[in-house]
Amino acid sequence: GAGVSQSPRYKVAKRGQDVALRCDPISGHVSLFWYQQALGQGPEFLTYFQNEAQLDKSGLPSDRFFAERPEGSVSTLKIQRTQQEDSAVYLCASSPGTFGYGYTFGSGTRLTVV
Amino acid sequence: QQQVKQSPQSLIVQKGGISIINCAYENTAFDYFPWYQQFPGKGPALLIAIRPDVSEKKEGRFTISFNKSAKQFSLHIMDSQPGDSATYFCAASTPVGTGNQFYFGTGTSLTVIP
Repeated sequence: GAGVSQSPRYKVAKRGQDVALRCDPISGHVSLFWYQQALGQGPEFLTYFQNEAQLDKSGLPSDRFFAERPEGSVSTLKIQRTQQEDSAVYLCASSPGTFGYGYTFGSGTRLTVV
Repeated sequence: QQQVKQSPQSLIVQKGGISIINCAYENTAFDYFPWYQQFPGKGPALLIAIRPDVSEKKEGRFTISFNKSAKQFSLHIMDSQPGDSATYFCAASTPVGTGNQFYFGTGTSLTVIP
């Protein structure tokens, strides 16, 4: 596609519910990143994929967070047993190379946990 | 600990004026410094970026000034327009192979008054 597409745009989850957020990167982009952006803050790194390999998951805040990119294109970020502190915008970005120079962000998924 | 510190938090400028946003960092391993522009409901979009081997980079109305010895860099928006009203984030990253993430500042909300 022309840009990075994320779905859903908005998600309201009850505390304790599991959620799955989807990212469709730009076709052919090798690198894919997930960031978490709290209200009024800058994005914070969660995890990085190079093709289907998850090379860095150092930013995942707990073992309730899990990400995958099984075929090296679409990626899913899953949050289990959501908590109120998980409320944020989750941004996906992709880049054509093996790092993030010039990468393109999607519009994000706004997750609200009630 | 915030790796990149950004100021001011908000800025109001008259149309035609100069907007200046400042960032500071501590990690001397950073070698790439991009600025991102974010409109409400959208993901950050790359505006301009600089490497520490140059002191200034200009693209249209946007200029990055970089002071390696002071570990500071700033974004200057000349002839500011109402359409520039957005949130601006500075960021930094380490060389390829030594890290996979961008460290973002906390953002500056710019309002340009007609």
